[in-house]
Amino acid sequence: DQQVKQNSPSLSVQEGRISILNCDYTNSMFDYFLWYKKYPAEGPTFLISISSIKDKNEDGRFTVFLNKSAKHLSLHIVPSQPGDSAVYFCAASVWAGNMLTFGGGTRLMVKP
Amino acid sequence: DADVTQTPRNRITKTGKRIMLECSQTKGHDRMYWYRQDPGLGLRLIYYSFDVKDINKGEISDGYSVSRQAQAKFSLSLESAIPNQTALYFCATSDFPSGSNEQYFGPGTRLTVT
Repeated sequence: DQQVKQNSPSLSVQEGRISILNCDYTNSMFDYFLWYKKYPAEGPTFLISISSIKDKNEDGRFTVFLNKSAKHLSLHIVPSQPGDSAVYFCAASVWAGNMLTFGGGTRLMVKP
Repeated sequence: DADVTQTPRNRITKTGKRIMLECSQTKGHDRMYWYRQDPGLGLRLIYYSFDVKDINKGEISDGYSVSRQAQAKFSLSLESAIPNQTALYFCATSDFPSGSNEQYFGPGTRLTVT
């Protein structure tokens, strides 16, 4: 059973609008969460992370929100750009430095 | 130059053949990992190594073996390849636990078993 789930396999957004990617987890012991971005023919690259002691972390156009009670996190991209078109994976670990458990990924397409 | 390299980038092999995928890194990290990616399943951990003398099974180690030849090199072997091992394989590295828990991935090897 997948402990980290991304229920939307794909998302299409217009350039300049907000992209919201969602991730749910079942293991209440997870306390560190990361988002990775993956372009075709490349490996995933780290995007942004959040510790469970926070409910929000921002880095430029990217913001991750964490709702521990709902076991839910989301990645907001504002404004979305065509270069953001990629597959996004969320990942979770029991503590920073431990093994990562990945979700299935969401393919984001930003249309010009 | 890439910090984490994988060879080969693409490989087609037949059922029953032995195949080795290689990973090298110049980041100086002690920790190395092998993942496979399948559509809809994300990345699943096959094996990981925290140093040259430490090898651990991951979530899906059956049918695979690994060798940590040096701090910089971590190889994944399929002793007798089968079609359901067709997937995208990634090697990753990480430093001793730090604040971000970030792992650095290689470009991947696309393996097809016919």
